Amino acid sequence: AQRVTQPEKLLSVFKGAPVELKCNYSYSGSPELFWYVQYSRQRLQLLLRHISRESIKGFTADLNKGETSFHLKKPFAQEEDSAMYYCALSLGQGAQKLVFGQGTRLTINP
Amino acid sequence: EAGVVQSPRYKIIEKKQPVAFWCNPISGHNTLYWYRQNLGQGPELLIRYENEEAVDDSQLPKDRFSAERLKGVDSTLKIQPAELGDSAVYLCASSLGAVDTQYFGPGTRLTVL
Repeated sequence: AQRVTQPEKLLSVFKGAPVELKCNYSYSGSPELFWYVQYSRQRLQLLLRHISRESIKGFTADLNKGETSFHLKKPFAQEEDSAMYYCALSLGQGAQKLVFGQGTRLTINP
Repeated sequence: EAGVVQSPRYKIIEKKQPVAFWCNPISGHNTLYWYRQNLGQGPELLIRYENEEAVDDSQLPKDRFSAERLKGVDSTLKIQPAELGDSAVYLCASSLGAVDTQYFGPGTRLTVL
């Protein structure tokens, strides 16, 4: 069955420290993966998608098919990174059918 | 631009009552999605529309849930009758096409008492 697992519900790090939000997936097809973010009192929005291979707000994520992972990383956390982060797997081409993980609440301490 | 618009933002009803949610997608977006997000969980897709056609409703509990997207623009999601377990945030999203980035609305928080 298709599934996305985010093992940490809560993650707290200090400003300036590295951040890694974990995401593992289970899917027999060719995966397309995304990270979505929801800042306080704002809408859920796309942060990045693996096919873009770009860095957004200093975040990067590499798809590791061998480990079936798509961890989100940032070398130096900033207070404005505090938010809810969701990893999502597309079951079709592009973003047409997304399966979301449970989410990780990231808190950056000053 | 306002983005995806949803109303109401909050709704409190008693069980067995009907409830409806409305969504206005971003202008020009052909694909519309309804998601349900239970507390502490990620969003789960309920139904996807391509213009006015429901192309994926496999996750929609059809005994009590219904949806429509007349004229391929606005959409309404209805629950009748509501149950306690329906308490959740109902999210609407839209995209230019099925493979494009989804833009989410603010959601409607439903509480069933």
